[in-house]
Amino acid sequence: AQTVTQSQPEMSVQEAETVTLSCTYDTSENNYYLFWYKQPPSRQMILVIRQEAYKQQNATENRFSVNFQKAAKSFSLKISDSQLGDTAMYFCAFLNHFGNEKLTFGTGTRLTIIP
Amino acid sequence: DARVTQTPRHKVTEMGQEVTMRCQPILGHNTVFWYRQTMMQGLELLAYFRNRAPLDDSGMPKDRFSAEMPDATLATLKIQPSEPRDSAVYFCASGEGGIGTEAFFGQGTRLTVV
Repeated sequence: AQTVTQSQPEMSVQEAETVTLSCTYDTSENNYYLFWYKQPPSRQMILVIRQEAYKQQNATENRFSVNFQKAAKSFSLKISDSQLGDTAMYFCAFLNHFGNEKLTFGTGTRLTIIP
Repeated sequence: DARVTQTPRHKVTEMGQEVTMRCQPILGHNTVFWYRQTMMQGLELLAYFRNRAPLDDSGMPKDRFSAEMPDATLATLKIQPSEPRDSAVYFCASGEGGIGTEAFFGQGTRLTVV
């Protein structure tokens, strides 16, 4: 079974600074997908960024980028030029390429952007 | 603005009562998921459907939970009888199907069983 670990329960950073959220996972599979979801106070889960394990290039979406280290099973999220609207819970999630389409989530990191 | 719609947003009920949560997936999406979020367990998959047929409900307590899709525009999750340990936020998500495609989440139903 896959497991996803987020070792930082809470983080805070000044507005406009850069912050990196950590995620590690454990799997014996070779083909899979990794995601970062954002959950603001409104509660809705919003996809931030997605990475396919067979792609070596790190995914980027505007101010959001990942550092995907497949051998180390690490998938960190970097938020550049952080904004107040980035304040939220962030969840790392794993999806196996084969079989059940279940997302396995980490326990989340509560990120607070300080004005 | 396509989105997954869940009703109700909040539900408070007494132990032993039946609870029904509803979800309208995004039009055209053929895959529907039900997740539960609690402080202790985090986010867990309860069940999911493809083209209205259940593909996996192994995460769901079978004795009290049931999930159905009466038609392509409606998914329901029922708990009967409800218990205090069922208190959680229940999310519905839909997707176009296919491994790795994005699951779009609704805003969840916060259920409190007293």
